Amino acid sequence: KAGVTQTPRYLIKTRGQQVTLSCSPISGHRSVSWYQQTPGQGLQFLFEYFSETQRNKGNFPGRFSGRQFSNSRSEMNVSTLELGDSALYLCASSLTSGGNTGELFFGEGSRLTVL
Amino acid sequence: GDSVTQMEGPVTLSEEAFLTINCTYTATGYPSPFWYVQYPGEGLQLLLKATKADDKGSNKGFEATYRKETTSFHLEKGSVQVSDSAVYFCALRSRDDKIIFGKGTRLHILP
Repeated sequence: KAGVTQTPRYLIKTRGQQVTLSCSPISGHRSVSWYQQTPGQGLQFLFEYFSETQRNKGNFPGRFSGRQFSNSRSEMNVSTLELGDSALYLCASSLTSGGNTGELFFGEGSRLTVL
Repeated sequence: GDSVTQMEGPVTLSEEAFLTINCTYTATGYPSPFWYVQYPGEGLQLLLKATKADDKGSNKGFEATYRKETTSFHLEKGSVQVSDSAVYFCALRSRDDKIIFGKGTRLHILP
């Protein structure tokens, strides 16, 4: 079956702009988690959505937001972009809430560059 | 809050060498540890996991034993191959059900 699909794969924005990233989970998976990956900090948890509800949230400013649709697809939005937002944004899906089993299925990520 | 610490990389070994990547964690309650691997150009994937103390997870020749007394989950492999070159992430399920990752250890295997 198809894996986790993230779009776009690469994008370049300038400071102050906003960006929306999309994630389509594996069919049947109801949980979607988002992570920010940078060389210095590794993977940092952004948030998790399960059945259209935000179930968990990491320590990121309010500029980072997300949502999940009834078909389990998820989007995350970053407003007022800063240079430090340049990173690989990873989406991961799981059958149930990810924390229950720990097995997350990751997409290849969306690489955001902020100039 | 809960955290995961793993050895800094990169780690460079020759083929057939013995591998250990250390991982320790700080957590409340009874976290479940995991190892994920990210091969070049691919997304992260679960390598192995443990669910209770003294459990040994294994997959693809890799092993890790969940030591609650030392809060560790070190990854080992007896004989590495060039195809094992990747970034390895130690992770745990925290008390509030987040999956928290270490910073990753890049492994280079030389033929």
